Amino acid sequence: RKEVEQDPGPFNVPEGATVAFNCTYSNSASQSFFWYRQDCRKEPKLLMSVYSSGNEDGRFTAQLNRASQYISLLIRDSKLSDSATYLCVVSMEYGNKLVFGAGTILRVKS
Amino acid sequence: NAGVTQTPKFQVLKTGQSMTLQCAQDMNHEYMSWYRQDPGMGLRLIHYSVGAGITDQGEVPNGYNVSRSTTEDFPLRLLSAAPSQTSVYFCASSYSIGTYNEQFFGPGTRLTVL
Repeated sequence: RKEVEQDPGPFNVPEGATVAFNCTYSNSASQSFFWYRQDCRKEPKLLMSVYSSGNEDGRFTAQLNRASQYISLLIRDSKLSDSATYLCVVSMEYGNKLVFGAGTILRVKS
Repeated sequence: NAGVTQTPKFQVLKTGQSMTLQCAQDMNHEYMSWYRQDPGMGLRLIHYSVGAGITDQGEVPNGYNVSRSTTEDFPLRLLSAAPSQTSVYFCASSYSIGTYNEQFFGPGTRLTVL
C-alpha cells in the first residue's frame, strides 16, 4: 500500500466549476501536510499547508482529518490557469523528508 | 536570488557511465534533498542533508552518493548508471526548523540511461 494515495484523475471541469481532491495517508505519525502544485514539465511549488483546523487561501480550501488520515483540497470558481497536477504531501519530520502522492491531474476547460 | 539551480537540464548516459548532477541554492537553507520522479509514482526521496558535513539516506538511495561540503551545494553522484535510473531528478532546499517548512525545488534534470 502506498503511503500517500490520491485519485490520479484526470478531472476535466469547465471554468467556474468547483472541484475537490482527496488524499489518504497511512502513517499516523505524520506531522505536517501540504498541497503542492506541479505544472507540466516543471518543478513542484507549494500551494498551501494544511492545518488541523482547516485553512483557506482565496479560492482554495484545505481540510485535514487526522482520525481518518484524510486530506482534501477544494478549488472554487476554477480558472484555466488552475490546470496542473496537484500533489498531496505529508512529512514525518518537521516539514522535511516529504512523502508525495502520485498526483491528481486537473484540466480546466473554457 | 537565483533560488535553487540544477545542472544539467538534460543528460543522456550509457549504462555503466558515472556522472554528477549539480545542485546549488543561495537562500542559506540548512536542509537540502534529492528526489526522483517517475510516471505514476510521485516524487521519492533519494538522499538528504540537514547541514554541511551531514547526509543521510532517503527511501531510494541505492546507486547514488551525495556529499555536502558547503551550505550552498549538494551534488548527486550516479556511480554506475542503469536504465532503471532514467527519471527526472529534483533538488530541493528549505529551512530545517519548524513543522511547516516550504520546500523550494530546482527546475529538474531529465536523465535518460540507455
